[in-house]
Amino acid sequence: GQQLNQSPQSMFIQEGEDVSMNCTSSSIFNTWLWYKQDPGEGPVLLIALYKAGELTSNGRLTAQFGITRKDSFLNISASIPSDVGIYFCAGSKTSYDKVIFGPGTSLSVIP
Amino acid sequence: DSGVTQTPKHLITATGQRVTLRCSPRSGDLSVYWYQQSLDQGLQFLIQYYNGEERAKGNILERFSAQQFPDLHSELNLSSLELGDSALYFCASSVGGSVDEQYFGPGTRLTVT
Repeated sequence: GQQLNQSPQSMFIQEGEDVSMNCTSSSIFNTWLWYKQDPGEGPVLLIALYKAGELTSNGRLTAQFGITRKDSFLNISASIPSDVGIYFCAGSKTSYDKVIFGPGTSLSVIP
Repeated sequence: DSGVTQTPKHLITATGQRVTLRCSPRSGDLSVYWYQQSLDQGLQFLIQYYNGEERAKGNILERFSAQQFPDLHSELNLSSLELGDSALYFCASSVGGSVDEQYFGPGTRLTVT
């Protein structure tokens, strides 16, 4: 079935550093989503992307919809301790189709 | 707080048993989704309801069933439980069914012993 891969699997960074993570798929998606999950809570949507090549920001977060429509990237600038959590990418064929989630990237920020 | 409520928060039961997980969507949301999150399978979509009708189905086992009631709350029924069913079960809701409108609840942690 459809599968997403995320890299890296985990990251340990110093506070203030920038972070980059990516997500790849064997299938084309027309909607890409990035979520963050804090311990003991449900995922929270950070950014949604709808067009190939689209670059969208949400505060210190910037995500890009890959031109091939088979990948997406998330950057976090000037990381802070509250950025700690698991970041999931997710793809969907349409805005109303089921969502396929990646395995997640675990981010740890060292103060 | 997303506005989506799930009960119970934790559930411990034995193999072979049946449990019911409950979800109340955000006020005004018509669509409810169920997801399973486990260490080996990750976060997987199970099923979606919109205004009482099943809209989409994912990797939901035949031992699992769900429904959405007229007041829009939803229940996920898991029967003949196996050890591998131990997981976090999330409910999400959205107004109209768009994937970028989903708000997740805090989850129910199911432990099958």
